[in-house]
Amino acid sequence: DGGITQSPKYLFRKEGQNVTLSCEQNLNHDAMYWYRQDPGQGLRLIYYSQIVNDFQKGDIAEGYSVSREKKESFPLTVTSAQKNPTAFYLCASSHRGSDYEQYFGPGTRLTVT
Amino acid sequence: AQKITQTQPGMFVQEKEAVTLDCTYDTSDQSYGLFWYKQPSSGEMIFLIYQGSYDEQNATEGRYSLNFQKARKSANLVISASQLGDSAMYFCAMRPTWGAGTASKLTFGTGTRLQVTL
Repeated sequence: DGGITQSPKYLFRKEGQNVTLSCEQNLNHDAMYWYRQDPGQGLRLIYYSQIVNDFQKGDIAEGYSVSREKKESFPLTVTSAQKNPTAFYLCASSHRGSDYEQYFGPGTRLTVT
Repeated sequence: AQKITQTQPGMFVQEKEAVTLDCTYDTSDQSYGLFWYKQPSSGEMIFLIYQGSYDEQNATEGRYSLNFQKARKSANLVISASQLGDSAMYFCAMRPTWGAGTASKLTFGTGTRLQVTL
């Protein structure tokens, strides 16, 4: 079955530690995205990538970093510079071109204490 | 800049009834796409329906239809014959359809929580 996987589902970290969230897709999509969702709010774009080895900042990129070394994978690192890292993180992918819908993974809930 | 407004934080509907979830948007782009997503309690975002700004007919997908009124900048989702499984958060989103750098950026509203009752 084609889809997007994110692991783990729940992640706990101590303040000051970097943490990397995994996102893998086997849909043969060129574009991949990372969103953050806070309680009672919509999704906000962190980073996106249209092709391998290229990515752009979204609306709230500060304190985050990404890489896109493979078409299938787009890991997100939440660094210690991110002031409020506790949130629900969703990864998505799509074909290139803005008429295509984005398919989402199941999300990772990160809690930093 | 684009903005999506969903003014209904929560809605109730009885099973088998129809319900309309409101969405208004603001954009200076001439060409754009509008999307609706469903988010059950599990957290995954499920794509429901898409409407292009130049599409002359309202989009339909099974029990979902999009009431698109371009002049009023509204893109309301209509769910017919509601089912208990429709209980979830619903998000309206949009993105422009031109400009290589901006085409990928989906802007989301804050969502409407729909509760279907017996």
